[in-house]
Amino acid sequence: GIQVEQSPPDLILQEGANSTLRCNFSDSVNNLQWFHQNPWGQLINLFYIPSGTKQNGRLSATTVATERYSLLYISSSQTTDSGVYFCAVDKMDSSYKLIFGSGTRLLVRP
Amino acid sequence: SAVISQKPSRDICQRGTSLTIQCQVDSQVTMMFWYRQQPGQSLTLIATANQGSEATYESGFVIDKFPISRPNLTFSTLTVSNMSPEDSSIYLCSVDIANADTQYFGPGTRLTVL
Repeated sequence: GIQVEQSPPDLILQEGANSTLRCNFSDSVNNLQWFHQNPWGQLINLFYIPSGTKQNGRLSATTVATERYSLLYISSSQTTDSGVYFCAVDKMDSSYKLIFGSGTRLLVRP
Repeated sequence: SAVISQKPSRDICQRGTSLTIQCQVDSQVTMMFWYRQQPGQSLTLIATANQGSEATYESGFVIDKFPISRPNLTFSTLTVSNMSPEDSSIYLCSVDIANADTQYFGPGTRLTVL
């Protein structure tokens, strides 16, 4: 099956710093989403981005589908950005099933 | 988008008992899914909840352990049967909004089995 790898697994930042999270996937995909899981466990949709670039405030994402990777950029990080960031993809089989990467655990220190 | 609620939000259960988790969506959706997140791990798909027919289970998950109902297009239940401490996880339902290509997740049910 399709493999989804995220890096780095853990990241500690000082408030105000920038960071880049990476997601590699092993096959062509229909859908790629980035999620933020807050400390209470809630999964929050960040981006639906099977290709191209999107921006939302301090966050932006780029997916290069031909090279099978996606990047999530966090600028001017805040303590509220702490949590786990997941990349998830679904296969091009019309099943809509999401396969999650192992996540990047981010801690932003004040 | 969709507003998704789950009940209960958390529970502590005894070994050998069963718990039914409810998922309610504020609009009709075609695709509903159940995921499990074990402590410190990523999310794993348990099954696709099909309206009007049996759920479709992923490898490693069976109907006897995780029976699922989907009586209509806005509601589904997942039962965790004959629980053991290894079943302690967060269980999340999700929906795929037609023509939106985006999945939305419920707030999750945090289950602890003693």
